[in-house]
Amino acid sequence: DTTVKQNPRYKLARVGKPVNLICSQTMNHDTMYWYQKKPNQAPKLLLFYYDKILNREADTFEKFQSSRPNNSFCSLYIGSAGLEYSAMYLCASSRDPDWGYEQYFGPGTRLTVL
Amino acid sequence: GDSVTQKQGQVTLSEDDFLFINCTYSTTTYPTLLWYVQYPGQGPQLLLKVTTANNKGISRGFEATYDKGTTSFHLQKASVQESDSAVYFCALVDPQVVGQLTFGSGTRLQVYA
Repeated sequence: DTTVKQNPRYKLARVGKPVNLICSQTMNHDTMYWYQKKPNQAPKLLLFYYDKILNREADTFEKFQSSRPNNSFCSLYIGSAGLEYSAMYLCASSRDPDWGYEQYFGPGTRLTVL
Repeated sequence: GDSVTQKQGQVTLSEDDFLFINCTYSTTTYPTLLWYVQYPGQGPQLLLKVTTANNKGISRGFEATYDKGTTSFHLQKASVQESDSAVYFCALVDPQVVGQLTFGSGTRLQVYA
C-alpha cells in the first residue's frame, strides 16, 4: 500500500483562527513533507521531518508548525490563519531523505481562509 | 538557488497527437531530474527520473532526455490518450540539498477524444 492520506480534504477557516491539517502513511517511511500549492505556482516545500527531526524552510519558519507523534502521522498547524494561507496543502513521504526524489503524495487538503 | 521553469501553462491535444512539454532548469550542480504527474483528485506521483549516469528516462510511453548543454529536460510522448490528461510537473533534486524537490509550476495537459 503506497497510500498517503490527508484529512480533511477541504477546510474552511476564518481569518485569525487556527488550522490543523493531518497526514498519515503506512509505508513506514522515515521522512514526511508538507508543501503549499497555489494556482499556477510550483509546490513550495514548507517543512519536512526526518524521523523526529523537523526541518523548516527559512522563509516560512514562523508561519507553520508541525508535529510528528509517531512514524505514521504528521500534522501541519497554522496558529492564526490569514487570507494568504488559502492554498492546497500537500503531504508527502519518502523512504528517507536520500530517496527524496521518490516522494509519495497525498491528495491534498484545500484550505480556504475567509 | 535551484529553479525549474515550465513556460507552458496548458497544452491541448487530440488523441494520437504528439506531446512535447518544455522544461528547463537552473542549478550549480548535476541534479537528478524528474517528471511527476498529477491526475484529477490525486496527489502528484513520480512518472520518471533521470540521473547524470543515464541521460534518458522512459516510462509508460513517456520519455525525457537530460540535456546538460541546454539545461533542459523536455517530456515527450509519441501518441497521447485521453487518459493522459493531467498536470505534469518537472522537478529536480539537488544532490547537495538532501531530501528536497524543486518543482516547476506545472503544465496542464488536456487530451480530447
